[in-house]
Amino acid sequence: EPEVTQTPSHQVTQMGQEVILRCVPISNHLYFYWYRQILGQKVEFLVSFYNNEISEKSEIFDDQFSVERPDGSNFTLKIRSTKLEDSAMYFCASRGGQRNTGELFFGEGSRLTVL
Amino acid sequence: GESVGLHLPTLSVQEGDNSIINCAYSNSASDYFIWYKQESGKGPQFIIDIRSNMDKRQGQRVTVLLNKTVKHLSLQIAATQPGDSAVYFCAENRAGGGNKLTFGTGTQLKVEL
Repeated sequence: EPEVTQTPSHQVTQMGQEVILRCVPISNHLYFYWYRQILGQKVEFLVSFYNNEISEKSEIFDDQFSVERPDGSNFTLKIRSTKLEDSAMYFCASRGGQRNTGELFFGEGSRLTVL
Repeated sequence: GESVGLHLPTLSVQEGDNSIINCAYSNSASDYFIWYKQESGKGPQFIIDIRSNMDKRQGQRVTVLLNKTVKHLSLQIAATQPGDSAVYFCAENRAGGGNKLTFGTGTQLKVEL
């Protein structure tokens, strides 16, 4: 069964450091997303990406965040200068098919701990 | 403000019983709703979805009911099993809201043997 894969599963970093979280979406999918979940809280939308550009982003996704699809398979989330409050589980998701509907497939997540 | 929220943070059921997890939403423009299951340490897993032009949809052991009049969504799990223990989230996609999903807070379902 096709799946979304994410690396690393857990990253510990110092405040102010840059972090790159990597995702390999399902191969024939066209829509890509990053969500985050602070421990014990709900899943929050960060950004959506389609046709090599950002479709939509939330207020959380400020200038410290960026996304990139550097090749035909990877989708990355970069945090330029991490803050303590960036500590969370970050989920990548992908979707094929019709816009605004369709099953969103999530990866297992990358846990980011900022010290 | 606009929100998607859950009534109960924790639901305990006996194995074999039916479970009902509820969700309220406030945006009448929402047109697509999804239930996700999240096991500890894992990503959300799609369970079932429903469009706003429907009021009921059934899957394998699961049924989603949508009441647009009171802006209420429920997930029914038949013959609950230990493997159903997880946090369940409802999520919505709003008409004109682009591709993002707005998740509710989550309900912890505990299945007792």
